[in-house]
Amino acid sequence: DAGVIQSPRHEVTEMGQEVTLRCKPISGHDYLFWYRQTMMRGLELLIYFNNNVPIDDSGMPEDRFSAKMPNASFSTLKIQPSEPRDSAVYFCASSSSEGLNTDTQYFGPGTRLTVL
Amino acid sequence: AQSVSQHNHHVILSEAASLELGCNYSYGGTVNLFWYVQYPGQHLQLLLKYFSGDPLVKGIKGFEAEFIKSKFSFNLRKPSVQWSDTAEYFCAVKVMGTDKLIFGTGTRLQVFP
Repeated sequence: DAGVIQSPRHEVTEMGQEVTLRCKPISGHDYLFWYRQTMMRGLELLIYFNNNVPIDDSGMPEDRFSAKMPNASFSTLKIQPSEPRDSAVYFCASSSSEGLNTDTQYFGPGTRLTVL
Repeated sequence: AQSVSQHNHHVILSEAASLELGCNYSYGGTVNLFWYVQYPGQHLQLLLKYFSGDPLVKGIKGFEAEFIKSKFSFNLRKPSVQWSDTAEYFCAVKVMGTDKLIFGTGTRLQVFP
C-alpha cells in the first residue's frame, strides 16, 4: 500500500487566499484524522471522520476552517480566508477499527503551509 | 481530562549512550499505548505499540518500551543510541471506547557522534 497521501507537500499563499489541502487515506481504513503541528502548540487534532462522517470537529480553530470527506478515499481541509497564523504543517492520518493494526494511526507526509 | 506527560523536553546524548524517555498518562482504565518518531522534516512514524500481553514491547530500530500499569507509565528505551536516532519522539494514548489519540508534547532527542 502507498500509505496516506497528501497534497500539496508545500503551499505558499498570501493572506486572504483560500487554501485547500488534500488527503487520501490508506485503502480500507475507516477513520481519518486531520492534525496541525506548530512549534508553539505542538500537535493538535483538528477534526476526525468515521466512515466519511465528521465525528468531532472541536479542534477546528474557527469558522475559517472546514473539512469534508465526500468518499472513503478522499478528504479536504479548507481554510478561507487564510491568515499568517495558519502557517503550520498539516498532517492527515488514517486508521482502521478492524484487523491486526486496529486503532493504529498512520500519518501522511504532511503539507507545509506558509501564509504570507 | 486524560493527559499524557513527557517530562523530558530535550535530551542530548552521545552515540552509544543509553536512552530512556519518560511517558506517563492520567487515565485509570484500559488504554492502548504508542510511541511515534518524527525525524527532522518528516512525518510521524510508528515506533512501537502496546495493546495487551507482554508489557515489554519491542519496536523497530532497537527500541523497546515497558508498560507499568501501577505507575501509569510507558517509558521508551534503547541501550545504545546512534546519530540517526536524532528526532522528536511522541508518546500517545488511546483510551478504550474512544477514537482519539492523546499525544504528549514530545521529546526532542539530539545524538552527537
